[in-house]
Amino acid sequence: AQSVAQPEDQVNVAEGNPLTVKCTYSVSGNPYLFWYVQYPNRGLQFLLKYITGDNLVKGSYGFEAEFNKSQTSFHLKKPSALVSDSALYFCAVTQGQAGTALIFGKGTTLSVSS
Amino acid sequence: GAVVSQHPSWVICKSGTSVKIECRSLDFQATTMFWYRQFPKQSLMLMATSNEGSKATYEQGVEKDKFLINHASLTLSTLTVTSAHPEDSSFYICSASNPGRHSGNTIYFGEGSWLTVV
Repeated sequence: AQSVAQPEDQVNVAEGNPLTVKCTYSVSGNPYLFWYVQYPNRGLQFLLKYITGDNLVKGSYGFEAEFNKSQTSFHLKKPSALVSDSALYFCAVTQGQAGTALIFGKGTTLSVSS
Repeated sequence: GAVVSQHPSWVICKSGTSVKIECRSLDFQATTMFWYRQFPKQSLMLMATSNEGSKATYEQGVEKDKFLINHASLTLSTLTVTSAHPEDSSFYICSASNPGRHSGNTIYFGEGSWLTVV
């Protein structure tokens, strides 16, 4: 069975500092990995995805994530956090088979202080 | 880019009534749509997978007679919450997949629908 773990309920960083939101996964076969952000009372916004190729994936709003197969991780990073980055972040995984649903982690609340 | 639209964005209904939520893919044909439920500050829980022209596949613990899903066309799936009760109040989000159009099984999400049952 597929699963995603986000070990931190909340991450607090100061504006301008680098941020990391952790994600590990478990899936049989090749994983497709995603990061989404959710602002209060809104749907999910796509940030980035890893399918194949370079392990470092660059996405929207300056975010990037690194796929590490040996550690089964896909941590989300940003070199310099903004207050406006404060939101709920979800890591998700699916297998490569087309038409399969995403399985989400529990989410991590990112709080960026000014 | 691809857009998935949900309607209504919020709805309040009386206990015992039914409410329908629509999910439309606006610029692509979605062979598969997914319905999720999210409680406040919690993760998205997959309710069912909807394939056009066939019956939906429900996740364990989801009552198929209560949450009716219809995927009658390649651009529209509907979720009907029947005989709604206050515990059905939640944020419902749909997503649509078009694996043939974009690489890597891209999945797009709607903006979600808030259901409050009073």
